[in-house]
Amino acid sequence: DIQMTQSPSSLSASVGDRVTITCRASQRISYYLNWYQQKPGKAPKVLIYGASSLQSGVPSRFSGSGSGTDFTLTISSLQPEDFATYYCQQSFSIPRTFGQGTKVEIK
Amino acid sequence: EVQLVESGGGLVQPGASLRLSCAASGFIFSSYWMSWVRQAPGKGLEWVANIKQDGSERNYVDSVKGRFTISRDNAKNSVYLQMNSLRVEDTAVYYCAREWNAFDMWGQGTMVSVSS
Repeated sequence: DIQMTQSPSSLSASVGDRVTITCRASQRISYYLNWYQQKPGKAPKVLIYGASSLQSGVPSRFSGSGSGTDFTLTISSLQPEDFATYYCQQSFSIPRTFGQGTKVEIK
Repeated sequence: EVQLVESGGGLVQPGASLRLSCAASGFIFSSYWMSWVRQAPGKGLEWVANIKQDGSERNYVDSVKGRFTISRDNAKNSVYLQMNSLRVEDTAVYYCAREWNAFDMWGQGTMVSVSS
């Protein structure tokens, strides 16, 4: 199974900050990496698919990069509605696997 | 409206069975792989199983192999998860999700609690 490791596990940031979350795969997964946002009590929502493609309707302050084993999710200017937990997920192979999550909290 | 709606969750004892359902609407259901993803209380996301468009291929995470069965009925626009021999560690919110590049559509989830 491919293990997905996110860092950090949590972070505190202020509105307007630039935030970067990283995700590392235990083996090469090309561009088969997706990012999700989840708010308490709600289903996850896809932000980025294919490592860098912005899902329709997602604000352009979200961006993704990387390939192979190392990936990054960047929020260019954190907004109040962005405080949530973020997960990466590989769609390269079965079983599909998620990172452990990164909780973005208000500083 | 484009949506997925899960049902069938509940409180059961260890060893019991439960069948979850997910009804799809607003899109061509038969064109998509479908998955079940679960989330234990306070924990992260775990993919459970998926099924190909015509039901000819099914995949499972190791922890549920031999106990859970995913199926679909394209005429009813529905996907199911039959869960047998339930364990305490199966306690979670279970989401159905459409798979297209990523899990691009999710239901609201249904809670399964396994406790004696």
